[in-house]
Amino acid sequence: EAQLVESGGGLVQPGGSLRLSCAASGFAITTYWMHWVRQAPGKGLEWVSRIKSDGSRTTYADSVKGRFTISRDNAKNTLYLQMNSLRAEDTAVYYCASDPDRGGYSMFDYWGQGTLVTVSS
Amino acid sequence: DIQMTQSPSSLSAFVGDRVTITCRASQSISNYLNWYQQRPGKAPKLLIYAASSLQSGAPSRFSGSGSGTDFTLTISSLQPEDFATYYCQQSYTTSYTFGQGSKLEIK
Repeated sequence: EAQLVESGGGLVQPGGSLRLSCAASGFAITTYWMHWVRQAPGKGLEWVSRIKSDGSRTTYADSVKGRFTISRDNAKNTLYLQMNSLRAEDTAVYYCASDPDRGGYSMFDYWGQGTLVTVSS
Repeated sequence: DIQMTQSPSSLSAFVGDRVTITCRASQSISNYLNWYQQRPGKAPKLLIYAASSLQSGAPSRFSGSGSGTDFTLTISSLQPEDFATYYCQQSYTTSYTFGQGSKLEIK
């Protein structure tokens, strides 16, 4: 069974850093684009970042550009999100999601359970 | 950025009802439109991709239609497990914008 499991969330002070991980099992992420999506408490979904299957291309939402870095280790079947200069508005549950890019159509078919990041002093 | 607007934002219905949720894009997105279901405290689940293709494992009572700027998600006969929040998402541009969500509650 395909599964994604996030870890690394927690409480951090404004201006601090955190690194999230997303470990895949039951499938190989090597052929998938991978994404991070976040959801602030009681709010809707916001796309954060994506990375191409071979790691050669990355894209970021304007709200995190220059502060967050997405990366992957296909040998470890794991996705990462390095978050620096964190702000209160970054408080959210962070989900990783896989994207099979079927016939040029992007979709998020597997999701992790999410990890909560709280930015507060 | 492309804005996605769902209506209604909330609705209530009975088990067995037919329900339709609409999603409008601020510009044409062809059929680059996905629908997700999110139950409380859970991760979203992909239901429909490319506007009308049913994701493997999703029940056949879910269907999607539309192209351009206007899209619909239809549930043909509501089941108890369908009471959740539904989100549309455009994948036409790499901002991957989601709608604000439509919360479906039991009447």
